[in-house]
Amino acid sequence: QSVLTQPPSVSGAPGQRVTISCTGSSSSIGAGYDVHWYQQLPGTAPKLLIYGDTNRPSGVPDRFSGSKSGTSASLAITGLQAEDEADYYCQSYDSSLSGSVFGGGTKLTVL
Amino acid sequence: QVTLRESGPALVKPTQTLTLTCTFSGFSLSTNGMCVSWIRQPPGKALEWLALIDWDDDKYYSTSLKTRLTISKDTSKNQVVLTMTNMDPVDTATYYCARKRGPASGEFDSWGQGTLVTVSS
Repeated sequence: QSVLTQPPSVSGAPGQRVTISCTGSSSSIGAGYDVHWYQQLPGTAPKLLIYGDTNRPSGVPDRFSGSKSGTSASLAITGLQAEDEADYYCQSYDSSLSGSVFGGGTKLTVL
Repeated sequence: QVTLRESGPALVKPTQTLTLTCTFSGFSLSTNGMCVSWIRQPPGKALEWLALIDWDDDKYYSTSLKTRLTISKDTSKNQVVLTMTNMDPVDTATYYCARKRGPASGEFDSWGQGTLVTVSS
């Protein structure tokens, strides 16, 4: 049972827009801690996709964007491409646990 | 260029102690704000944060596993070591080390490729 809640799966056709939600609590996202997103392609290590709620590392396409409100955050992917098919994880910090916490992951399928 | 690489046994028996080493390059763990964490992922399951050590040798552990975990660093060798006692088949997972900079709520900006550890008799 992950501390942050994500939908197990989302799907969309090429070119479409999808969003992935990440719900925390008053001791994590709701406390104002940053939310970060990772993309994990099959058989590979996670890769940082969004940091500090809304920021993209160098090299990440602007099709990926992040937002946060209250105890939740979202990752949006526009102009879906086949290469976006992967697992996506959110991560934040939980003061009641004094450590980093991850979401359960969301599998994105490009139809 | 920042790189991290995990090493350790691929197979351990139940009740044994697991020792994993993270060897990194491209940064120094003596630099203010620098941290290295261990994170694991059971096959087909989600990521789970395990432990973190920072530049000041402060250590933080997952509350659910803290009695079994020890993290340490050798700054001169650019290595971070994680030990996990009393291994069980449910601990079968890919174990990653990752770098974090800045505050406790910061992101893991560089990851190793991971090492799969299977717990079986």
